[in-house]
Amino acid sequence: DAGVIQSPRHEVTEMGQEVTLRCKPISGHDYLFWYRQTMMRGLELLIYFNNNVPIDDSGMPEDRFSAKMPNASFSTLKIQPSEPRDSAVYFCASSLSWGQRVVNTEAFFGQGTRLTVV
Amino acid sequence: AQTVTQSQPEMSVQEAETVTLSCTYDTSESDYYLFWYKQPPSRQMILVIRQEAYKQQNATENRFSVNFQKAAKSFSLKISDSQLGDAAMYFCAYRYPYGGSQGNLIFGKGTKLSVKP
Repeated sequence: DAGVIQSPRHEVTEMGQEVTLRCKPISGHDYLFWYRQTMMRGLELLIYFNNNVPIDDSGMPEDRFSAKMPNASFSTLKIQPSEPRDSAVYFCASSLSWGQRVVNTEAFFGQGTRLTVV
Repeated sequence: AQTVTQSQPEMSVQEAETVTLSCTYDTSESDYYLFWYKQPPSRQMILVIRQEAYKQQNATENRFSVNFQKAAKSFSLKISDSQLGDAAMYFCAYRYPYGGSQGNLIFGKGTKLSVKP
């Protein structure tokens, strides 16, 4: 398996523009996470999905952020409109569960998308 | 709510020496998983080691080992025979094993490890 694939690797955009980050989880994984990493705040969980259903989106900063998982192999994180304070590295990660117990409990991370909003 | 605390923002070690990174956590659960992740300058997050709370034996992976003190809620990482390639950010993480609404990974702020030649 190619692992978790994120695109693009780097994104530079102007303030006010819409930005869409993409993620393809590892095949068969049923948990998908979006994290944001900054120097000031470290790794923050934005949202996570289980079987394509959003479970906890309390980390989403504000209404400008939205995430979708239309199927088991694809997720997007959208920022509209973008602001300079959104500049960060955004990680997608996936993991596998087995019924009621989470097995292979570690999350596998993509390479991240470095977003710069100017 | 569960929290993970790494009290050492930065650490330094001489090549071939041993270093210990600290992590404490807070949870009311008795069953959970703990992890150490490494993030080198390439920014890829790499799993270093995993500990299951119901196992008393400390996990070991080659030069990496943990000291898991469940009662003290402490989970430190020991790196033996440090190598230049060990230089990275190290994150401690907690996960409730039963998924659902508590299925997320909770990370500490990280410790930046430098290795001196």
